[in-house]
Amino acid sequence: GQQVQQSPASLVLQEGENAELQCNFSTSLNSMQWFYQRPGGSLVSLFYNPSGTKHSGRLTSTTVIKERRSSLHISSSQTTDSGTYLCAWSNYNVLYFGSGTKLTVEP
Amino acid sequence: DPKIIQKPKYLVAVTGSEKILICEQYLGHNAMYWYRQSAKKPLEFMFSYSYQKLMDNQTASSRFQPQSSKKNHLDLQITALKPDDSATYFCASRHGGENSDYTFGSGTRLLVI
Repeated sequence: GQQVQQSPASLVLQEGENAELQCNFSTSLNSMQWFYQRPGGSLVSLFYNPSGTKHSGRLTSTTVIKERRSSLHISSSQTTDSGTYLCAWSNYNVLYFGSGTKLTVEP
Repeated sequence: DPKIIQKPKYLVAVTGSEKILICEQYLGHNAMYWYRQSAKKPLEFMFSYSYQKLMDNQTASSRFQPQSSKKNHLDLQITALKPDDSATYFCASRHGGENSDYTFGSGTRLLVI
């Protein structure tokens, strides 16, 4: 079956440091999406990014779909960035999620 | 205002009982979904509906039955509850039939005792 691999599984940063999160998929799919899962569990969509690079504030997502990979870059991290970052790949009708990267940003 | 409403936020149920999880979306989307997140597992797809019709079902058990009474509703009925059903259940929606992003509700956290 499809597998979505995220790395690292966890990451601890000091406030102000940058982070690079990786997401790889084992078979070809057609689009992907990054989510932030709050400590309370709710999901927030960060990027819908089937290909190319997108920016939103301190976040940048780059997807190379032919290589089945996507990355999420967080610059100048803040304590409020702490939480779990999930990537998910789509085959038109189903999202397949990775296990997430748990980010902790310390003051 | 939340665009996808899930009720209740928390639910405790007794083994063997039946519960209904409610989902309503106010985004005008025609495709709706249910996902489940069990402890220490990735979110996993359960069902997809488009225009109130079942499109895909990757839930092995018939104890899980989606119900769509209106085009912006997709409830999830769970019968004969088991402790293994304990999880957070997320409803999602999007414009179906095209590449578009998913919006998720805040989830219903179910504990079966």
